[in-house]
Amino acid sequence: DGGITQSPKYLFRKEGQNVTLSCEQNLNHDAMYWYRQDPGQGLRLIYYSQIVNDFQKGDIAEGYSVSREKKESFPLTVTSAQKNPTAFYLCASRDGGLNTEAFFGQGTRLTVV
Amino acid sequence: AQRVTQPEKLLSVFKGAPVELKCNYSYSGSPELFWYVQYSRQRLQLLLRHISRESIKGFTADLNKGETSFHLKKPFAQEEDSAMYYCALRPYNQGGKLIFGQGTELSVKP
Repeated sequence: DGGITQSPKYLFRKEGQNVTLSCEQNLNHDAMYWYRQDPGQGLRLIYYSQIVNDFQKGDIAEGYSVSREKKESFPLTVTSAQKNPTAFYLCASRDGGLNTEAFFGQGTRLTVV
Repeated sequence: AQRVTQPEKLLSVFKGAPVELKCNYSYSGSPELFWYVQYSRQRLQLLLRHISRESIKGFTADLNKGETSFHLKKPFAQEEDSAMYYCALRPYNQGGKLIFGQGTELSVKP
């Protein structure tokens, strides 16, 4: 079953703790992205990676970190430095060619308690 | 500045009525524009893109460079169209990232 998988679906974190969100794809896509979705604000780009072992900051990277050690995996760590981490996080992947669409995962809802 | 604006947070229409979801963009160059849809409890998915000029599920969107708009239209709304709709712009040569509007929730009442 091909696609992009995010886990877990729901995640609870205590204040001051780091937490890692998983994103895996078996579409053989080169590029992967992390977006944050908040009500009334749409989706905002956190980090993206166009190839393995390389990634760039998006518009709201502060308090987040990523790694891209394998083509199929792009985990996102929400650190304690992120001031308002409660949100819905979406991962996406895309073939690196022109005119290709992005495919999204089901999302992870992170709640800080 | 690169920006996408969807002025309506919520659009409520009756079944069979025409629908227009507004999208305006700011981008210095030729834009690549998309509409994404998120149905309840489903993942975000591509609805249509301006370069393909096709109609999906009865929806169309025309790029108007003069007005910098990419409004989504459907002549007769159906209840199953109720969803969250996002307009997005993909800047040229910026890693394929998408810039999203704030989203418009479409509610189609019976």
